[in-house]
Amino acid sequence: KQEVTQIPAALSVPEGENLVLNCSFTDSAIYNLQWFRQDPGKGLTSLLLIQSSQREQTSGRLNASLDKSSGRSTLYIAASQPGDSATYLCAVNRDDKIIFGKGTRLHILP
Amino acid sequence: KAGVTQTPRYLIKTRGQQVTLSCSPISGHRSVSWYQQTPGQGLQFLFEYFSETQRNKGNFPGRFSGRQFSNSRSEMNVSTLELGDSALYLCASSPALLNTGELFFGEGSRLTVL
Repeated sequence: KQEVTQIPAALSVPEGENLVLNCSFTDSAIYNLQWFRQDPGKGLTSLLLIQSSQREQTSGRLNASLDKSSGRSTLYIAASQPGDSATYLCAVNRDDKIIFGKGTRLHILP
Repeated sequence: KAGVTQTPRYLIKTRGQQVTLSCSPISGHRSVSWYQQTPGQGLQFLFEYFSETQRNKGNFPGRFSGRQFSNSRSEMNVSTLELGDSALYLCASSPALLNTGELFFGEGSRLTVL
């Protein structure tokens, strides 16, 4: 059974710092992995989608990597800003099912 | 291009009642999937519809059902509501099947069961 874990559950960092969010999954036979951002009381916004054949994807200040063999993905945020404060979730897709981690709640201190 | 639209945004029901939630996908998207989000369980997959057919279903009781219309709009129904059904219900649309592409989420319908 696929399990997706995100550690830490919460993180506070000063503005301007680079940071890394982690996502681990137990079954490496995945179709893709997606990172999302969720603001309080809102829906999810897609940040980056990595197909199983890819190693990383980049969008602006965000870079996501995927290592299927070790069951890990990281989301790197460069030069963090207060507007980056949100909950970040990763989701793994396999066998027509999608499994979400419980997220990392990120707070950027001005 | 309009995003995913969910209605209603908020609703309050009592135990035993039923509820229907609606989701209009992004134009041209054929896949609509539904999710339940609670503080304890996080975000859980309910089911996916593609071309009016349910393709797969998560581990939820039969009280949770859905359908998709020919214009790709989808509805989700929960019958015989229980207190534990209180949650944020999210739908997402995708141009192709759930397991192939990017998901675009709506703002959600927040259901409170009293």
